[in-house]
Parts: sequence; C-alpha cells; structure tokens
Amino acid sequence: EAGVAQSPRYKIIEKRQSVAFWCNPISGHATLYWYQQILGQGPKLLIQFQNNGVVDDSQLPKDRFSAERLKGVDSTLKIQPAKLEDSAVYLCASSLTSLNEQFFGPGTRLTVL
Amino acid sequence: DQQVKQNSPSLSVQEGRISILNCDYTNSMFDYFLWYKKYPAEGPTFLISISSIKDKNEDGRFTVFLNKSAKHLSLHIVPSQPGDSAVYFCAARSGNTGKLIFGQGTTLQVKP
Repeated sequence: EAGVAQSPRYKIIEKRQSVAFWCNPISGHATLYWYQQILGQGPKLLIQFQNNGVVDDSQLPKDRFSAERLKGVDSTLKIQPAKLEDSAVYLCASSLTSLNEQFFGPGTRLTVL
Repeated sequence: DQQVKQNSPSLSVQEGRISILNCDYTNSMFDYFLWYKKYPAEGPTFLISISSIKDKNEDGRFTVFLNKSAKHLSLHIVPSQPGDSAVYFCAARSGNTGKLIFGQGTTLQVKP
C-alpha cells in the first residue's frame, strides 16, 4: 500500500513570495490533515478535511494561508505572501476516518529567507 | 497555551536498559492518547495508544501508562535498542474530530 505522498520535499523562497505544497493521501482515506511543525516543537494542526469539506481550520492563518481538497482526494496548501516565521516542515496526514490512525507523509521543509 | 507538554527535550540510555519518556497534559477533556515516533527526514509514525478508560496498554517492547488523576502518561521501552533512537511525540485527542494536540517531542538516543 502506497503511503502519503508530498511534494516538493524542500523549498527555499524569499519573504513575500508565494509557495504551494501538494499532498496525495492514501487511497480511500476520507480525512486529510495539514500540520505545521516548527523546529523544536510538535506538529500543529492547520486544517482538517473530511472528503472535500473543511472540518477544522481554526489555527490556519487565513490572511496568508489557504488550502483546498478538490474531489476529496489530493490537497494543496498555499502560502501567499510568506513570512520568515513560516519556515517549518509542513506535514500532510490522512486517515480512513477521523477516529482512525493518522498516516503521515515525509513533509515539505520550507525555508523563508 | 501548551496543552500537552514533554518537559525532557532529550534522553540517553544504554542498549538493553529501560527508556521512560514522559508527557503531561492539562485538558481533562482529552480521552485518547497516542505516541508517535519520528526519524529524521520522515513523517511521524504511530507507535502505541491508550484510551482514557484504561491505565495501561502493552505492545511488545512498548508499554504506555496513563495516570488520569495526575494528567500524566509515560512510554516505557524495554529493552531499548539502538534502532529506537528517534524523536518521540505524545499526542492527545478529545471527542470525535480526530484533531491531535502534540507535545514538543523528546529525542531518545540509545547507545550500543
């Protein structure tokens, strides 16, 4: 069974630029999560999708971050414009339902200069 | 507001000995707790979990203990192996949304 795929693995941009991350969850998983992990901290949930609907986006900085999950499968997370404090690893996870184990992708390491 | 805390950033143990990783939480509404393990350049992988109705769950070398009155859980690894060297995160969940609150992580080093 293929795991959660993410791309790119690494991205370096300058502040005020835009960036987008892509996630392909495990086939059949209805729930998809985007987490932000800042160095030295644990992952923090940014947004949770159930199929293509948003369940929780309470910690998503909506003035600069946006996410979508078209057709309830792949998802993209966008930052526009990026700030220095957005430097982090962005992790995508998926689960069969919201109460099942979450499987994480390898993450995208973003560096904002 | 850190609802889940891992106060030890790092832990070093000798191969074959016991590793004990600790986690404290503040929210009494949490009803499910998990431990994740993370190797460099990889995403976290699920290790073991415990429901709030239990005080112990065992899976091979890994045992998680939950003390609800103290709002404390711990992960015991016996015996520790060099391959266990990784960052360990505890996480907590309340209700049925699936949202996990993670601690800061503890880096475990098991020396041969």
